[in-house]
Order: sequence, then C-alpha cells, then structure tokens
Amino acid sequence: RKEVEQDPGPFNVPEGATVAFNCTYSNSASQSFFWYRQDCRKEPKLLMSVYSSGNEDGRFTAQLNRASQYISLLIRDSKLSDSATYLCVVNPNAGNNRKLIWGLGTSLAVNP
Amino acid sequence: DTAVSQTPKYLVTQMGNDKSIKCEQNLGHDTMYWYKQDSKKFLKIMFSYNNKELIINETVPNRFSPKSPDKAHLNLHINSLELGDSAVYFCASSQEHGGPLREQYFGPGTRLTVT
Repeated sequence: RKEVEQDPGPFNVPEGATVAFNCTYSNSASQSFFWYRQDCRKEPKLLMSVYSSGNEDGRFTAQLNRASQYISLLIRDSKLSDSATYLCVVNPNAGNNRKLIWGLGTSLAVNP
Repeated sequence: DTAVSQTPKYLVTQMGNDKSIKCEQNLGHDTMYWYKQDSKKFLKIMFSYNNKELIINETVPNRFSPKSPDKAHLNLHINSLELGDSAVYFCASSQEHGGPLREQYFGPGTRLTVT
C-alpha cells in the first residue's frame, strides 16, 4: 500500500455541484493531515489542516476517519475557481523522519 | 508582502553549468525546505533545515548542496547540471518548535530547464 494514495481523477463537475475526494494513508500512527491546492504552474497553497476528526472552512469540509485510515475533502457549491489539483498531505509521525508525505493529487475541473 | 520568495523564477541553462537558487522567508519560521516537482507532478522533498541545521537530506546527488546562512534563508547550489535536473524547485518554510510537523508555506517556485 502506498503511504498516501489519491484518485488522480480528473473529476469533471458542473458549477454548483458537490464533489468529494478521498485520500488513504498507510501509517496508522499519522498525527496530522493537510489539504493543499495547486493551480497549474503555481506553488501548493494550504487549504486546510486537520489535527482531530475534521475541519470546516466555508464550502470546504475535511473529515478524518482514523479507523479506516482515510481523509476526505468535500467541496460544496463548486466554483469555476475551484479548478485545481488537490494534494493530500500526511504527517506520518515516524520518529526522527521529519517529513510530510505528499499524495500525487486529484485533479478537479469545474465546468460552466 | 511576500512570505516566501525565490529567485530566479525561471532559469534556463546548459548541461554542465553550475547554478544557484535563493530562498527567503519573512514569516519568522524556524524550518525551511527544498522540494523538487518533476514533469509527473510528484512533489519530492530534497532537504530541510531547522535553525540552520540540516535535518533531512534525501537521496539527492551530491551535486546539490543546500546552504542556510541564517534561519530566514535557504539557498540551493547545483553543480554540473544534467538534463534530468529540469524541474520546478520549490522552497517552503514552517514553524516546528520541535513538535509535530505543521503547515508548510511555499515560495512561487523556480522553473529550471537544462538544455
């Protein structure tokens, strides 16, 4: 099993739709989780941090399921500007190996 | 006010040359990173420094040498550039306090093309 796994997509949705992405992780000791968005030819930008069961920020909701080792991102009322790649990032809490583990990303295209 | 800045934004050079990329953060963070993102979009960590001390040194050719003159700066020098070095290099920073890894903030990237 990969350390962090995401469905690459692309997800094509109409404006106003609700879309959800899942991300699975292999290390059950993982402590914290992040969702980043990356626009084409730009840097990753932090969207949301998850330190407990979930987080909500406006139209975006992240849910953590520790038992099944996945974290989801829900986007409600999609906007054209939500089109981007969404990167799932996991802090594996692996002793001295202090690095985040990055997923390959899920591509979202919101269409008019 | 740019939080994490990198220069140059674009770098086109020939094989065999030596080049440097500079990174500065004004967030007061104690940890800085270099990532490489290749054409397959995979974001791979190369190095990280905490308070000027090298913490992570991934399997990177020794042609790549990072230098952190102070907490706010992390530069990357690349010797004898090869075609396979073509990628986007991102600098990032975070405030770790020695605790669990926290959010990282990225610079705009340096697009390196080796011809």
